[in-house]
Amino acid sequence: KQEVTQIPAALSVPEGENLVLNCSFTDSAIYNLQWFRQDPGKGLTSLLLIQSSQREQTSGRLNASLDKSSGRSTLYIAASQPGDSATYLCAVRWMAGANSKLTFGKGITLSVRP
Amino acid sequence: KAGVTQTPRYLIKTRGQQVTLSCSPISGHRSVSWYQQTPGQGLQFLFEYFSETQRNKGNFPGRFSGRQFSNSRSEMNVSTLELGDSALYLCASSLAPGQGDSGANVLTFGAGSRLTVL
Repeated sequence: KQEVTQIPAALSVPEGENLVLNCSFTDSAIYNLQWFRQDPGKGLTSLLLIQSSQREQTSGRLNASLDKSSGRSTLYIAASQPGDSATYLCAVRWMAGANSKLTFGKGITLSVRP
Repeated sequence: KAGVTQTPRYLIKTRGQQVTLSCSPISGHRSVSWYQQTPGQGLQFLFEYFSETQRNKGNFPGRFSGRQFSNSRSEMNVSTLELGDSALYLCASSLAPGQGDSGANVLTFGAGSRLTVL
């Protein structure tokens, strides 16, 4: 069964800390992997998309890496700020011919303390 | 440019009723997908539409249905509502469906429709 796991479910860090959020997935035959951010009561904002052929993507203080062989992706947040407090979800789209659905992890709720 | 618009934002229904939710994608986006989000199950895929055709469907009962119109706007319908259908329903649009060019795959989500079934 194709599954996406994010552990831990919640994380609290002091402001300024560099942190890593983990995402693991079964079945290495992925098409792409995306990281999203969700603020309470709101929709999702796409942060980074990594294609299967790529190893990492960067946007500002965010860096996402992909290791298909180990079934893992990490989202690195540099110099965390209170405004980074949100739930971070990773989602995998597996290779499935013309039709494939996005499978989400349950997310990591991040709290950055001032 | 305008984002993905979902209406209504909040609604309350009773068991046995039916509900229709609407999603207007970003202009130029032709792919629309729907997701159900609950505290217990997280985000689960419902369906994906492209050019008025359903391309993929998640593991939900037949009470959940959807459609897409020629202007790419989409609706989803849930009939015979159950308490367990209470959730945040999210719609996302993209230029192209699933396995297309990487830039075309990036999803933009709406704020969601929060359904409460009493």
